[in-house]
Amino acid sequence: QQQVKQSPQSLIVQKGGISIINCAYENTAFDYFPWYQQFPGKGPALLIAIRPDVSEKKEGRFTISFNKSAKQFSLHIMDSQPGDSATYFCAASRRNLIFGKGTKLSVKP
Amino acid sequence: DVKVTQSSRYLVKRTGEKVFLECVQDMDHENMFWYRQDPGLGLRLIYFSYDVKMKEKGDIPEGYSVSREKKERFSLILESASTNQTSMYLCASSTSWNQPQHFGDGTRLSIL
Repeated sequence: QQQVKQSPQSLIVQKGGISIINCAYENTAFDYFPWYQQFPGKGPALLIAIRPDVSEKKEGRFTISFNKSAKQFSLHIMDSQPGDSATYFCAASRRNLIFGKGTKLSVKP
Repeated sequence: DVKVTQSSRYLVKRTGEKVFLECVQDMDHENMFWYRQDPGLGLRLIYFSYDVKMKEKGDIPEGYSVSREKKERFSLILESASTNQTSMYLCASSTSWNQPQHFGDGTRLSIL
């Protein structure tokens, strides 16, 4: 019940395309859903986060879609750029963060 | 900007050694965390602390202990290092629960 399942493990997208990463959770007590971005040699950095009282949150090219009834949330990266190439982690929290296993995104020029 | 500083980027130690990993944050955050990151496994919580001298076990505390004598400093201790503790260790801090966690750049620890 504590797991967060993330897919896909890896993703290759052409420059300008849309990258989509999906996460699913079981624990309905989770009330905070952040996404972290990690570049090689660096720690994860918060990208965008959502709480379950809204179904979508957008910040620039990054959008979280949240489906409370399905217990799923996803990250959409519009107009993907080579500089977006990184590993992305979803997470869910009631108190401590439970992380997904990560998605390695490669954006090809 | 919040800064979380981990004392070493790379560390090589021998099996059986006692190993100390240090983490300092400069934003007066209440909560501090230690994670390990392994390929294909994501980030797993080892220990966390929500106040000075307070600590709680995370998901994988076996073989580790922690110390938080000052608010800004959180240490991870490997009592007797083993090869299966070779990993990337990440420290993080946050103001409170369900607030953004700020991560250091990690310590890559190799146990030979």
